[in-house]
Amino acid sequence: EPEVTQTPSHQVTQMGQEVILRCVPISNHLYFYWYRQILGQKVEFLVSFYNNEISEKSEIFDDQFSVERPDGSNFTLKIRSTKLEDSAMYFCASSENGGRTEAFFGQGTRLTVV
Amino acid sequence: AQKVTQAQTEISVVEKEDVTLDCVYETRDTTYYLFWYKQPPSGELVFLIRRNSFDEQNEISGRYSWNFQKSTSSFNFTITASQVVDSAVYFCALSEEGGSEKLVFGKGTKLTVNP
Repeated sequence: EPEVTQTPSHQVTQMGQEVILRCVPISNHLYFYWYRQILGQKVEFLVSFYNNEISEKSEIFDDQFSVERPDGSNFTLKIRSTKLEDSAMYFCASSENGGRTEAFFGQGTRLTVV
Repeated sequence: AQKVTQAQTEISVVEKEDVTLDCVYETRDTTYYLFWYKQPPSGELVFLIRRNSFDEQNEISGRYSWNFQKSTSSFNFTITASQVVDSAVYFCALSEEGGSEKLVFGKGTKLTVNP
């Protein structure tokens, strides 16, 4: 069964460093997302990506964040200068037809900023 | 604006009990989509069901059933004869047809099924 894969599963980084979280969405899906879940809290939308551009971003997704689809399979989230409060689980998701269809989530990358 | 409320923060039951997880939503759109996801202790988000706003038919899948009522803006989830493996956090989510493609999640309900 096709699935969304994320790497790494866990990343520890020092405050101020840049991190890149990687995702391989399901191959025939057209919509890609990043969500964030701070420990024990709800899942929050960060950004959606369609047709090679950002279609929507939340207020959390400020200038320190960026997304890219560098080739036909990968979808990345870059955090330029990490802060302690960026520590969270980051989920990549993809869907066939936007919000009309279910989004399938990767297993997540746990980012710890120290 | 979209909003999903899961008023039950934590529920604890004994195995074989039935349990209902509540979900109330708010939206201005007439066309929208409702979802339930399961997050087991391992942390991944597992899709369970999607419902369109124009389809109020209830659904049953094994021990799982969903009750969608537009009149009360609710999309409740019932587990019959609960099992220890059902222990997880369950999230209800909403997306709207008009423009935004994102999912808005409720805060989740942590279900613990004790043997």
